[in-house]
Parts: sequence; C-alpha cells; structure tokens
Amino acid sequence: EAGVAQSPRYKIIEKRQSVAFWCNPISGHATLYWYQQILGQGPKLLIQFQNNGVVDDSQLPKDRFSAERLKGVDSTLKIQPAKLEDSAVYLCASSLDGAGQETQYFGPGTRLLVL
Amino acid sequence: DAKTTQPTSMDCAEGRAANLPCNHSTISGNEYVYWYRQIHSQGPQYIIHGLKNNETNEMASLIITEDRKSSTLILPHATLRDTAVYYCIAEEAGTYKYIFGTGTRLKVLA
Repeated sequence: EAGVAQSPRYKIIEKRQSVAFWCNPISGHATLYWYQQILGQGPKLLIQFQNNGVVDDSQLPKDRFSAERLKGVDSTLKIQPAKLEDSAVYLCASSLDGAGQETQYFGPGTRLLVL
Repeated sequence: DAKTTQPTSMDCAEGRAANLPCNHSTISGNEYVYWYRQIHSQGPQYIIHGLKNNETNEMASLIITEDRKSSTLILPHATLRDTAVYYCIAEEAGTYKYIFGTGTRLKVLA
C-alpha cells in the first residue's frame, strides 16, 4: 500500500513570509497527525485530527500556525508569518482510527528553512 | 506523562546484536512502549511495540522487564543500514499520543 505522502520536500522562505505544507495519509486512515521536529530533537506533536475534526491542538502556536482537514482525507498545515525558530522538519503521520494500540505511519517530512 | 530515557549514542559492530536500552520508570499499567527509528532525512519508521510481554517480529525483539520500568530493543544481526536514531516512546496515558525523547543514535561499524 502507498505510504503517507507529503509535499514539498524542501522549502526555503524569508521570515514573515507564509508557507503551506500538504499531507495525504494512508488510504482509510481516520487519524492524521502533524509533528514538528527541530534539529537534534524528537518530533513534537502539533495537531491531531480524527476524520475532519480536531482532537488535540494544544501544542499548536495558533497565532501563526493553522491546519485543516476539510474532507477528512488530506490536510494542509500553514505558517503565517514565519519566524526563524520555525526552521524544522514538519512530519505528517496517520493511523487507522487513533484508538487503542495504534501504530502511526510517518511521511518523509517537509524540511523548512526560514532565513 | 510517561517519560523515556535513552543513552545519547551507541556503537555496534556489523553482524553483532545491538541492544538498545530504554528507561520508562513512570509508565502506567496501560501505556504501551513503542520503538521507531529514523534514518537521516526520512520520517520515523515503526519497529515494534509491546505492553507486558516480550515481542518479536522480522525486524527486532522487544524485552520488557517484569516491573515495566525499562525495556531493551534487540537488533539480532546489525547491518550498516541499521545506523539511525532509535526512539523509545511511551504513550501519553489515556490519549494514545506519542511523546518522543531525543533517542539513541546507533552507529553500526564495519
């Protein structure tokens, strides 16, 4: 089966610009996650969707970050305006239904550099 | 939240078993332990998970102590392709969310 797809793979922007990332989860997976991974650290959960509803966005900096999953399938994560400290890899993951012992499957990530 | 502690780095000779320890002394009874690895420039890859019993699959074995305060991931015959950062993850109780630490950087030496 196809894995989690993400695009673009790399993005370079200047601070105060906006940027958007796209994720298409594994077919049939109801739960979708966005993580931020800063260099040298483990991934940190930003937001979790169950179908098209938000389950947890407690770690999402809502003054500049937004995410949506309108039809319960693919998702976009946006940063506006970007700051230097947003330079990181943004990982998307999906799991079957987010309940019980659910294995999460990760995409390759989008590497963002803010100058 | 259950937190995990892992050594920062380890080396292993190619062909030998790699034993990666993880301490999760505050884990609660219903929290699973997951292991992932991340090869440079890729997303984390699932390896194995367990609750109480030891587990084995085609990639690795997971040994969990009886008190569940620690576990060991065993790669039975390490290859150069196993060089990666290995994350031991405990779910956040009741939420099924992953909390990643900084992981162990395993280097397999030829």
